[in-house]
Amino acid sequence: AQKVTQAQTEISVVEKEDVTLDCVYETRDTTYYLFWYKQPPSGELVFLIRRNSFDEQNEISGRYSWNFQKSTSSFNFTITASQVVDSAVYFCALMEPGANSKLTFGKGITLSVRP
Amino acid sequence: GAVVSQHPSWVICKSGTSVKIECRSLDFQATTMFWYRQFPKQSLMLMATSNEGSKATYEQGVEKDKFLINHASLTLSTLTVTSAHPEDSSFYICSARGIYSSYNEQFFGPGTRLTVL
Repeated sequence: AQKVTQAQTEISVVEKEDVTLDCVYETRDTTYYLFWYKQPPSGELVFLIRRNSFDEQNEISGRYSWNFQKSTSSFNFTITASQVVDSAVYFCALMEPGANSKLTFGKGITLSVRP
Repeated sequence: GAVVSQHPSWVICKSGTSVKIECRSLDFQATTMFWYRQFPKQSLMLMATSNEGSKATYEQGVEKDKFLINHASLTLSTLTVTSAHPEDSSFYICSARGIYSSYNEQFFGPGTRLTVL
């Protein structure tokens, strides 16, 4: 069975600080996909990134970066120079292959960025 | 592209009534739609998966007679909460996978907040 663990529940930082959100996953498959989503107070999920299990390259997109390490089954997300608009709940999710492939979400991390 | 809408965005109803929530793929055809439920300060939990033209597959613990899912067309799926009770109050989110999408792509709707009094 697949599982996603986001051990941090709430993080509070001051604007311009860097912050890393941790994600650890469990799966028996060799092929799988990992995701990060942002859920602002409005509730709508915002897709941030999808990474397949065969691509361990780190990714950078503006102030966002992701570190995928299969050896530790982790897919961590770093926000550099955080801003108040980054305040939201962030979910890490795992998908195994299959016709009706399902997303398994972690419990989410509430990030508060204070001015 | 790949826009998914939900209607209504919020609904308040009395206990015992039924509520229908629509999920539409606006600019693509969706062979598969997923329904999630999210209680306050909790994660999204998959309720059911529906493929167009066939019966939905429900996750363990989800009552299929209470949460009726219909996916009659490639652009519309509906979730009906029958005889709603206060414990059904939640944020319901749908997602859709397009007919030409990879299996790993899902596009999420904005969610429907249900409050049962």
